[in-house]
Formats: sequence, structure tokens, C-alpha cells
Amino acid sequence: GQNIDQPTEMTATEGAIVQINCTYQTSGFNGLFWYQQHAGEAPTFLSYNVLDGLEEKGRFSSFLSRSKGYSYLLLKELQMKDSASYLCAVSRPRSGGSYIPTFGRGTSLIVHP
Amino acid sequence: GAGVSQSPSNKVTEKGKDVELRCDPISGHTALYWYRQSLGQGLEFLIYFQGNSAPDKSGLPSDRFSAERTGGSVSTLTIQRTQQEDSAVYLCASTPREGFGTDTQYFGPGTRLTVL
Repeated sequence: GQNIDQPTEMTATEGAIVQINCTYQTSGFNGLFWYQQHAGEAPTFLSYNVLDGLEEKGRFSSFLSRSKGYSYLLLKELQMKDSASYLCAVSRPRSGGSYIPTFGRGTSLIVHP
Repeated sequence: GAGVSQSPSNKVTEKGKDVELRCDPISGHTALYWYRQSLGQGLEFLIYFQGNSAPDKSGLPSDRFSAERTGGSVSTLTIQRTQQEDSAVYLCASTPREGFGTDTQYFGPGTRLTVL
């Protein structure tokens, strides 16, 4: 079985820092993705973690702890355009031998002035 | 370069009708995924095509759903005898390689299906 949890909604102020958490319980683990999805648009790739630790990419960073089944996405210097849904996805092997990312429900981030 | 394209962008149909949704993946991408996203829900995996291997159909919710991928490129998702609960955004994604869950997925804009 598999379970991926993330908060439904978060709000933050422009210029601030926000951390979006994701916890997972999956049978098998091959890596964890974060995607950004603006309303009415397709998800776009933000980050991928396969090893424990922090991956930094500009204003966005992603952290993974495999032993704790935990990841977070850190957004710094928030901008209004960062208002979007942030999807956590765990890649795991399936019974057919394929690896398919399983997505959480997403966290809707609202950035206000 | 061209990304993943899907058509139609919007589809309104009556309950009981059949619908076909089309996905054109990025040229050269060997793996193709279909997902469904209902309001307030995450992406629900439907089906995965991996090159010449048999597709992984384990996510299809009922036998009313089927999909094909012709010539290793374009894919069509067919929903027969549509029901109101089928209303959702249907997203297609492709990746460069098959069988590698570590590859970034490139998503199309989706088809918003509304069943009246």
C-alpha cells in the first residue's frame, strides 16, 4: 500500500519563507519529486531527491529523509507568482516491474502582499 | 521545442456517451502516462505505456476505460458509457526513457472532461 500526506493549504507573505511538508508510507521507494501546478495548468518539475539531504536550486530547496519517510519543499523570498499547488510524488516499483510516481493531493500555497 | 500536447482542451458530454482523449508526447520520449485529477484530489494514475512492453493498466478504474498507443507515439484514452463521476481533468505525461521512475515527467495541459 501507499500513503502520501501533505497539508491541504498554506498561506504566506510575499518575501517570506515557507516550508511545505510531505510524509509518505510506501512499499518500495525509488525517489521523491516535487512539482508545481498553477491553476488550470499542467504540473511542472521542481526537484527530485533520491538520497538523504538537502538539494538547493535557486529560491527552492528540497529535503529528504528516507528513514523518516519525510520530505519538505522550502521556498525562499516568496513572490506572488509562487501562488500555486505543490505536488509531492513518490516513485516506487509496481507489481508489473515499472516505476510510476504516486502523487499526494497537493498543497495549495497562497502568497499575499 | 514542442511539449506534450493534448486534445481537446475541454470536452462536455452527456452521460452514457463515449469519449476519446488524445495525447501527443514529446518526440522521442518512450514512456507515456495517463493520470486523472479530480477537484481537490491528487493525480490518480491510470495507465502507463513503456515502449514495446505491455502497458501497466493497473490504475484503470473500470473496464469502461481503455487506452492505446500507436506506433510508440500518440496515445488515445477512451471512456465508454461515461458517468458523472468521470468528470475530471485528464493529464498525459511523457518521459525520455522507459522503466525509470527517476525521470522527470513532462505533462500536457490536460483535457477537462465534464459529464452532464
